[in-house]
Amino acid sequence: RKEVEQDPGPFNVPEGATVAFNCTYSNSASQSFFWYRQDCRKEPKLLMSVYSSGNEDGRFTAQLNRASQYISLLIRDSKLSDSATYLCVVHSGGYNKLIFGAGTRLAVHP
Amino acid sequence: EPEVTQTPSHQVTQMGQEVILRCVPISNHLYFYWYRQILGQKVEFLVSFYNNEISEKSEIFDDQFSVERPDGSNFTLKIRSTKLEDSAMYFCASRGTGGRHSNQPQHFGDGTRLSIL
Repeated sequence: RKEVEQDPGPFNVPEGATVAFNCTYSNSASQSFFWYRQDCRKEPKLLMSVYSSGNEDGRFTAQLNRASQYISLLIRDSKLSDSATYLCVVHSGGYNKLIFGAGTRLAVHP
Repeated sequence: EPEVTQTPSHQVTQMGQEVILRCVPISNHLYFYWYRQILGQKVEFLVSFYNNEISEKSEIFDDQFSVERPDGSNFTLKIRSTKLEDSAMYFCASRGTGGRHSNQPQHFGDGTRLSIL
């Protein structure tokens, strides 16, 4: 089983749509969770941390279910500028190396 | 906002040659990392560095790889004898204080594209 697994997509949605991404992780000892965004051939950029109680940042909502080892990201009112690859990322403990999922591609069209 | 900077942005090298990739982490950060991303694949952890020594490394980080913090600001990744399969984007990242198990996020540089011919 992959350490961090994501649906690769692509998700093609119109502007204004709501879209949800899911992610599962295999290591139950994982301690911290993040969503990063990566534009084509660019560096990963932190979108948001994911907290156990769930958290929201503007149009973005992240949820964590430790029992199911499941993380989600919800994007409301999609913008053209949201088009990117969304990376589910897990801290594996130790000195906090990050374990990346392969990413889910989102394409928002007019 | 402070950022991680990497040089060069693109490095083209003949197979078998040595290459050094350079990074300047955010100034008050203490934990440093190298990752790589082969084209079309996921980002993979290579090595973490803390207190002037390697704290963890992956299976990818074999004897051909080394890291160094030669002064108070630079953090380098050296590949001694490059192979074709070393072609990838190499990202440097740093993290601030908060201890070994901190959940502070890592901040990434914009990467060096390494092309081995």
